[in-house]
Amino acid sequence: GAVVSQHPSRVICKSGTSVKIECRSLDFQATTMFWYRQFPKQSLMLMATSNEGSKATYEQGVEKDKFLINHASLTLSTLTVTSAHPEDSSFYICSARDPVGPWGGTEAFFGQGTRLTVV
Amino acid sequence: DAKTTQPPSMDCAEGRAANLPCNHSTISGNEYVYWYRQIHSQGPQYIIHGLKNNETNEMASLIITEDRKSSTLILPHATLRDTAVYYCIVRVLHQTGANNLFFGTGTRLTVIP
Repeated sequence: GAVVSQHPSRVICKSGTSVKIECRSLDFQATTMFWYRQFPKQSLMLMATSNEGSKATYEQGVEKDKFLINHASLTLSTLTVTSAHPEDSSFYICSARDPVGPWGGTEAFFGQGTRLTVV
Repeated sequence: DAKTTQPPSMDCAEGRAANLPCNHSTISGNEYVYWYRQIHSQGPQYIIHGLKNNETNEMASLIITEDRKSSTLILPHATLRDTAVYYCIVRVLHQTGANNLFFGTGTRLTVIP
């Protein structure tokens, strides 16, 4: 399947600082990428849909000013957690859709995730 | 997207077949059944998907009942590396648009040596 890479895999930051997480599609161009958050022992929760060249669409309850999403190119989307607090500590996962992939562009591939710890 | 119901946990002996059930009684005619799995501290991995026919690939087999209200994912020869949380998701396929996935609680499969 297609490869989606996230960086960093782990990050520890101080409360009040901002953290940027990158999501790259390595062997395909992704017009749409998705950002999920997962708390310990819970399922993945969709945060937002990132569209190349336009504003992201956020799910209800997700603060767009706190979780800034930029999808400036067809291979890169970034999620910036601004003014991070300990309650933002979580596992953040991105996925991307390959529009010309073997499943007719309908399948999403996931990055390996980023574990954010805010101290 | 239709809701799915899965048992919270299952055990399977190494080398035996693991059969993971999923109920999706409210599935509509244009919704596919997808299976993903998530190994601890990793992103989800696609396994298989189908509409109404049974499907098989190098990882698993998917058996969908005739009324499509339930399905079973079969790992024919479970290994320790198959220990993971398995998610059953039903959704409409969109050739354009978001195609985002909504994850339920999944089944935690533990393969026992």
